[in-house]
Amino acid sequence: EAEVAQSPRYKITEKSQAVAFWCDPISGHATLYWYRQILGQGPELLVQFQDESVVDDSQLPKDRFSAERLKGVDSTLKIQPAELGDSAMYLCASSLSLALSSYEQYFGPGTRLTVT
Amino acid sequence: QQQVKQSPQSLIVQKGGISIINCAYENTAFDYFPWYQQFPGKGPALLIAIRPDVSEKKEGRFTISFNKSAKQFSLHIMDSQPGDSATYFCAASRQTAGNKLTFGGGTRVLVKP
Repeated sequence: EAEVAQSPRYKITEKSQAVAFWCDPISGHATLYWYRQILGQGPELLVQFQDESVVDDSQLPKDRFSAERLKGVDSTLKIQPAELGDSAMYLCASSLSLALSSYEQYFGPGTRLTVT
Repeated sequence: QQQVKQSPQSLIVQKGGISIINCAYENTAFDYFPWYQQFPGKGPALLIAIRPDVSEKKEGRFTISFNKSAKQFSLHIMDSQPGDSATYFCAASRQTAGNKLTFGGGTRVLVKP
């Protein structure tokens, strides 16, 4: 069964350090989403890609967060510098394509970030 | 602004019982309503979903009921099993907004044996 892959699964970093997360969507999925889930809450969208283009990054704190999907396949989310409030689960999801009106999003296992 | 409100926050049900989780939404432009199941330390898994032109959808022990006029939808878990113990999230999205999901706050379900 095809799955969304994410790494690392867990990351502990000190405040003001840089951290990066990687996501490999389900093969053939053109749309990729990064969500942040604070403990005890539902996920919230950070950024959305269609192929290599950003569709929506309105909720991405651009002073410290950046995301890229250079070849339209895998994606990297970076935080620099990390702050205590960034401690959360970072989830990647993918879906077939906006052009195909495909709604189903499939999530990866997430990266649990702890900032100390 | 919380666009999708979910209740209850937690739920305890006996094995074999029915779990019912409710969600209400505000934006009438939403056109897709999925439910996700999440186990501790894992990513959400798509459980079942419904479009607003359908009032009910059933898949195995899971049923979504949808009330468009009331802007509410609910998940029913029939014959609840201990393995169903997880956190359940309702969500909503609309095609015109890139299908990004707006999630409810989650319901922690505990099924007692």
